Amino acid sequence: GAGVSQSPSNKVTEKGKDVELRCDPISGHTALYWYRQSLGQGLEFLIYFQGNSAPDKSGLPSDRFSAERTGGSVSTLTIQRTQQEDSAVYLCASSLASSGGGADTQYFGPGTRLTVL
Amino acid sequence: QKEVEQNSGPLSVPEGAIASLNCTYSDRGSQSFFWYRQYSGKSPELIMSIYSNGDKEDGRFTAQLNKASQYVSLLIRDSQPSDSATYLCAVNGAAGNKLTFGGGTRVLVKP
Repeated sequence: GAGVSQSPSNKVTEKGKDVELRCDPISGHTALYWYRQSLGQGLEFLIYFQGNSAPDKSGLPSDRFSAERTGGSVSTLTIQRTQQEDSAVYLCASSLASSGGGADTQYFGPGTRLTVL
Repeated sequence: QKEVEQNSGPLSVPEGAIASLNCTYSDRGSQSFFWYRQYSGKSPELIMSIYSNGDKEDGRFTAQLNKASQYVSLLIRDSQPSDSATYLCAVNGAAGNKLTFGGGTRVLVKP
């Protein structure tokens, strides 16, 4: 079946502009995660959605970052007033559930490379 | 102290040898443990998952978990140049709602 898809694959924007990044999870996966990976660094958790529960926003670095998940499927990560330090690869992942042997295995999309000039 | 720690490497191994990667974690209540492989410019792909103490083998890969000592390791047998990548250790903590990743270990397999 289809994996996690993300769009756009690359985004170049000017400092101060807003950007929207999209994630389509694997069909049937109730949990969706956003991570950020700066050049040569590990993955930084941003936000997590599980079904209809309130999202875990504990990883969002500032109030310029927000995300929503419509209809329990597609998610959009929005960065307002982008800064150069926002440049990174933004990765989305999905899993069947948030916990439980095997069900919490996360599968990653190809990522969106964001460059803020 | 980071929640999940890995040696950043690079870990250089000759082709055909065993590569041994280690990872320690701080949340004693952690339930699930994963190893991901990430090629340069690509997204992480799952190599192994392990949930119980002991060894779990899948092809050339063996994951080892010791919850008492709070470490998880990955062995790559008969290493191939195609195994050259960054290996990420990830832990699903007691809260069970997100993975915490280590910084990754870069592995170089030399022909």
